[in-house]
Amino acid sequence: EAGVVQSPRYKIIEKKQPVAFWCNPISGHNTLYWYRQNLGQGPELLIRYENEEAVDDSQLPKDRFSAERLKGVDSTLKIQPAELGDSAVYLCAILDRVSEKLFFGSGTQLSVL
Amino acid sequence: AQKVTQAQTEISVVEKEDVTLDCVYETRDTTYYLFWYKQPPSGELVFLIRRNSFDEQNEISGRYSWNFQKSTSSFNFTITASQVVDSAVYFCALIEGGSEKLVFGKGTKLTVNP
Repeated sequence: EAGVVQSPRYKIIEKKQPVAFWCNPISGHNTLYWYRQNLGQGPELLIRYENEEAVDDSQLPKDRFSAERLKGVDSTLKIQPAELGDSAVYLCAILDRVSEKLFFGSGTQLSVL
Repeated sequence: AQKVTQAQTEISVVEKEDVTLDCVYETRDTTYYLFWYKQPPSGELVFLIRRNSFDEQNEISGRYSWNFQKSTSSFNFTITASQVVDSAVYFCALIEGGSEKLVFGKGTKLTVNP
């Protein structure tokens, strides 16, 4: 199975501060996703990458959120400045095209105070 | 646009009871894929099953079974003889054939009491 490592596991910041999340999947998977999961809800897609290209970022709040995926492997998601409503779990996932399954990392739980 | 509905927000059962989690989906595509994921209190999403739209055969894996019915657009999940370790939030999800965008339902929180 594919491995997806996310860091940090938890992050607590004050509103208006910047924050960044990292996703380190094992190599060989072209499709990478960032999802946001609010408390008591299902995950919602923020952005999808094919290699280095963001092919679906329609739900990414571009005024404060940005993402990149250098060299088509690791990815970062940034929020600047953070707002109270950004408190959520941010999940990274990759698509394994052999099994056609999405594998998720453990997520970063963000608390904005 | 695709949509997944899990009408049961929370279910509570006593250990050894059978429990069924409902999932109803909407899509205009004839090719699509349905998934179930388990999210225990630790937070990670654990893959359980993937089913494509052309395969309506029901599947059993140990105490888990899935009933896929295209006529009612449902993909229900049954746990037989539930155990405390089954306590988690369970998500049903859908990918349309040409999309590669996984859309989740809101989840059903299952609590299995000893």
